Amino acid sequence: AQKITQTQPGMFVQEKEAVTLDCTYDTSDPSYGLFWYKQPSSGEMIFLIYQGSYDQQNATEGRYSLNFQKARKSANLVISASQLGDSAMYFCAMREGETGTASKLTFGTGTRLQVTL
Amino acid sequence: ETGVTQTPRHLVMGMTNKKSLKCEQHLGHNAMYWYKQSAKKPLELMFVYNFKEQTENNSVPSRFSPECPNSSHLFLHLHTLQPEDSALYLCASSPQGAGGGTEAFFGQGTRLTVV
Repeated sequence: AQKITQTQPGMFVQEKEAVTLDCTYDTSDPSYGLFWYKQPSSGEMIFLIYQGSYDQQNATEGRYSLNFQKARKSANLVISASQLGDSAMYFCAMREGETGTASKLTFGTGTRLQVTL
Repeated sequence: ETGVTQTPRHLVMGMTNKKSLKCEQHLGHNAMYWYKQSAKKPLELMFVYNFKEQTENNSVPSRFSPECPNSSHLFLHLHTLQPEDSALYLCASSPQGAGGGTEAFFGQGTRLTVV
């Protein structure tokens, strides 16, 4: 069974608008971490934001915020005030198990975001 | 500038060739990883090294042979590959044992084409 599901293969958003990229996950482990990465055409995976399973508040990093709904097992990425440079592939990933172990990540299939003028 | 450097960035090799991919990190991390990214598929974890010791081999065919001589360097030796092995190979590192959001830092990848 797929552990990370990203149902949006592609999304369009106008510059300066906000956009939500969906991610649902599946795990029976009570301790896990959720990550979002951005992959521009250069290929590098750029870390954006992290949410721990025990974190009480939604994570925020600048224009990025993570809408964490634990009961629904969703961890949507919200990008506010989109910029042309935000055009890229976005991957949701999960690490299961206790922190302090190697960061073995399970990735979703990604969402390609295109920011338009 | 990325803290994880991969060379070469692009590689074309025949099915009978032997080549190696190199990954280097100067972030002081103790865990290093190889991932494979094929078109329209999620990233697949291939190998995990902790403190130079291989801790995970995710059922990877033996034509892929990793080597981790020290905590800063990771190699992926390739021989007798198949066209379906063509993909982007990403190296990553992370600080073992550091709690919280211990994200993995990725290199820019090697785009491998097997002909």
